[in-house]
Amino acid sequence: ILNVEQSPQSLHVQEGDSTNFTCSFPSSNFYALHWYRWETAKSPEALFVMTLNGDEKKKGRISATLNTKEGYSYLYIKGSQPEDSATYLCAFRENNDMRFGAGTRLTVKP
Amino acid sequence: DVKVTQSSRYLVKRTGEKVFLECVQDMDHENMFWYRQDPGLGLRLIYFSYDVKMKEKGDIPEGYSVSREKKERFSLILESASTNQTSMYLCASSLGQGSEAFFGQGTRLTVV
Repeated sequence: ILNVEQSPQSLHVQEGDSTNFTCSFPSSNFYALHWYRWETAKSPEALFVMTLNGDEKKKGRISATLNTKEGYSYLYIKGSQPEDSATYLCAFRENNDMRFGAGTRLTVKP
Repeated sequence: DVKVTQSSRYLVKRTGEKVFLECVQDMDHENMFWYRQDPGLGLRLIYFSYDVKMKEKGDIPEGYSVSREKKERFSLILESASTNQTSMYLCASSLGQGSEAFFGQGTRLTVV
């Protein structure tokens, strides 16, 4: 079983704080690394798909970086807002599969 | 908009029943996946498929089988439902490895 690990498991921050999470994955046979946002009572939605070592992607206040050689990705949220509260999942794609970490549950307090 | 539709939001079945969970996508995606989600364990891969009639086991295939007779439909089958299969089941599809996945709304299955 391929291990995709996320840390921390949960995070509570104040509105306006910046935060970041980590996803670690096997560094061999890498094809792609995905980040998803999962709000309660909704389906997961894609934030980023990254395929190249050194990739950096940004969408508004959220950005992500990728290091395939050492097997990790960081997700950053700048100036957290209460609407950012969700579970953030990373997924590792080796071939036609897609395996997820357990997620980081973010709670942003007003 | 890409749509991934799961046949039921909530399902209650009895132990020993054969259960079918259906997933249909409307964007001609090659890859389809079935996951179960349990508290603290995230999304665990049960089976996936990369083409019609092609299927591969994920990490927890025991007690499950799948069918992909048409590209748009990927069915998860619980051969003989057991109480430890009570869970939330999520289906997803994607065009290829470098493409984002789209998820269904989930089926909460309770086996009594």
